[in-house]
Amino acid sequence: DAGVIQSPRHEVTEMGQEVTLRCKPISGHNSLFWYRQTMMRGLELLIYFNNNVPIDDSGMPEDRFSAKMPNASFSTLKIQPSEPRDSAVYFCASSPHRSTDTQYFGPGTRLTVL
Amino acid sequence: AQRVTQPEKLLSVFKGAPVELKCNYSYSGSPELFWYVQYSRQRLQLLLRHISRESIKGFTADLNKGETSFHLKKPFAQEEDSAMYYCALRSWETSGSSLTFGGGPQLTVNP
Repeated sequence: DAGVIQSPRHEVTEMGQEVTLRCKPISGHNSLFWYRQTMMRGLELLIYFNNNVPIDDSGMPEDRFSAKMPNASFSTLKIQPSEPRDSAVYFCASSPHRSTDTQYFGPGTRLTVL
Repeated sequence: AQRVTQPEKLLSVFKGAPVELKCNYSYSGSPELFWYVQYSRQRLQLLLRHISRESIKGFTADLNKGETSFHLKKPFAQEEDSAMYYCALRSWETSGSSLTFGGGPQLTVNP
């Protein structure tokens, strides 16, 4: 198993553009998490899904951020419009069951908004 | 609301020296705490969990409910321990659970 897959690995865009980050969780995992990592704030949970249903999106910074999970094998995190302060590494993680403590992380997407 | 605090951003020690990474938490429920580690160019991964009371790669962490702490310790640091270390607290909602991470220090072990 390749583990959690994220694409792209690096994204450079200009302010105001739409950015879409993609995640493929480990097959059979029921929970999926989106995190943002910055030097100032560390690792922040943005949103998580159980069985494709969003459970807690209180970490989503503002309306410019949206996340979807149309099926068990795919999720997207979209930023529209993007701003320089969105520059960060965005991680996706999955876990087998909602009550499981171990989360398996993807390699992350490094986003730079100019 | 739950909160995890890791006061250090950068921590540097010499090889063979003891190392302690501090973690404090606040949570109204029964805490479940973990340490995750991210080595250079590798994925973030689970290091240890308090319920297992295990030692992984020489690291141990004891949950102190009185002090609301879960500090990570190793008596003799090695160069390969250089990494980002995140303390995490699991909290429960009606439909599931999630992890709240601290800010995570970058540990550098110098030769």
